[in-house]
Amino acid sequence: EIVMTQSPRSLSVAPGEVASISCSSSKSLLHISDNTYLSWYLQKPGQSPQLLIFLASSRPYGAGVPERFSGSGSGSHFTLHISGVEPEDAGLYYCMQALETPYTFGQGTKLEI
Amino acid sequence: EVQFVQSGGGLAQTGGSLRVSCVVSGSGINFDTSAIHWVRQTTGKGLEWVGQIRTKSFNYATAYGASVEGRFSISRDDSQRVSYLHLNNLRVEDTGVYFCSNGGSLFDWGQGTQVTVSS
Repeated sequence: EIVMTQSPRSLSVAPGEVASISCSSSKSLLHISDNTYLSWYLQKPGQSPQLLIFLASSRPYGAGVPERFSGSGSGSHFTLHISGVEPEDAGLYYCMQALETPYTFGQGTKLEI
Repeated sequence: EVQFVQSGGGLAQTGGSLRVSCVVSGSGINFDTSAIHWVRQTTGKGLEWVGQIRTKSFNYATAYGASVEGRFSISRDDSQRVSYLHLNNLRVEDTGVYFCSNGGSLFDWGQGTQVTVSS
């Protein structure tokens, strides 16, 4: 199975600052379709995970994901950027590969504001 | 607005069985053409993919994670817009919150259902 590794495991930033979370995969997530199957999720305390970014850099349309969230990267190295962090961005962030089953998640990164 | 409403789960003893349901309501999603995934969050741990069921076009093919293969199964009834996660031969380590979700990138999520297995 594809192993996903996130860093850092925890991050503390002040409101308005930039936050970046890295995710690497043990195998390239680039599909022959030219899509890269990497997603990012935010899980706030007591809530279900919420999709932030899919296909490495796309924000889901109509899902209310703020523009301050962006994804970058290719192959097996990816980054989630949060520009101008706000208090409601606190929670656990996960990357996940959807290239092949079993889908696998990173260990999670706890963001404190 | 799309809603994934879960029910079922609860308490079972080791070796027992439970079922979790996931009903999809609202417009904005074509249930028939959506793969349904199940993900769990065990105590103190992160997210773990449990399995998926694909659509009729793919003969409702299923796939499972290694830790649940042979014990859990996923089914769906497109006419009722519902998916089921059948949990059999339960182990203490299966205790956690189970979520349903849709699509290749897990776009929408249910509210989660608690499953507790005691010895």
